[in-house]
Amino acid sequence: EAGVTQFPSHSVIEKGQTVTLRCDPISGHDNLYWYRRVMGKEIKFLLHFVKESKQDESGMPNNRFLAERTGGTYSTLKVQPAELEDSGVYFCASSPLAGASYEQYFGPGTRLTVT
Amino acid sequence: AQSVTQLGSHVSVSEGALVLLRCNYSSSVPPYLFWYVQYPNQGLQLLLKYTSAATLVKGINGFEAEFKKSETSFHLTKPSAHMSDAAEYFCAVSETGGFKTIFGAGTRLFVKA
Repeated sequence: EAGVTQFPSHSVIEKGQTVTLRCDPISGHDNLYWYRRVMGKEIKFLLHFVKESKQDESGMPNNRFLAERTGGTYSTLKVQPAELEDSGVYFCASSPLAGASYEQYFGPGTRLTVT
Repeated sequence: AQSVTQLGSHVSVSEGALVLLRCNYSSSVPPYLFWYVQYPNQGLQLLLKYTSAATLVKGINGFEAEFKKSETSFHLTKPSAHMSDAAEYFCAVSETGGFKTIFGAGTRLFVKA
């Protein structure tokens, strides 16, 4: 069974540009999460999809970030325009069931560098 | 609000020595607790989790953790470190009724030959 995949693995862009990150969850997982780790700090929750619906987007930093999950399959996270403080590693995770006790399966992350 | 504190951003042990990674949490309701490990260029992998069953939880690769409510701790241990244990370890908490996972800042484990 394929795990969670993320593309690209690395992205280097200039301030003001746009970047789109993609996440493909494990097949059949209705729940998809985005997290971000900035500069070696803790991994922080960004948002949670159940199928194509945003269940909780309370962790999204500001309106420069837009997440979508068309058809309830893969998800994209767009940053437009990117700022220096957006640099970090963006993780995607998925799970078959939602709930505090359930394991989330993580992808390898996308390392975003904004210069 | 939930939070997780991992004591020590870097821990170094000799091969064969005890591994002890410390984690303290705060939660207003009974928590679920997790330890994840991240090897280079890989995603986070679940080592073990506590979900209110036994307080001593055994995980993969010989790791275990003990939930101590009175100390609000969930320290990770392994009796004998192996070179392959070198990685970054994350303690995490989520609350009953929720789904967000709150992570600590991570502890990078170095294993010396």
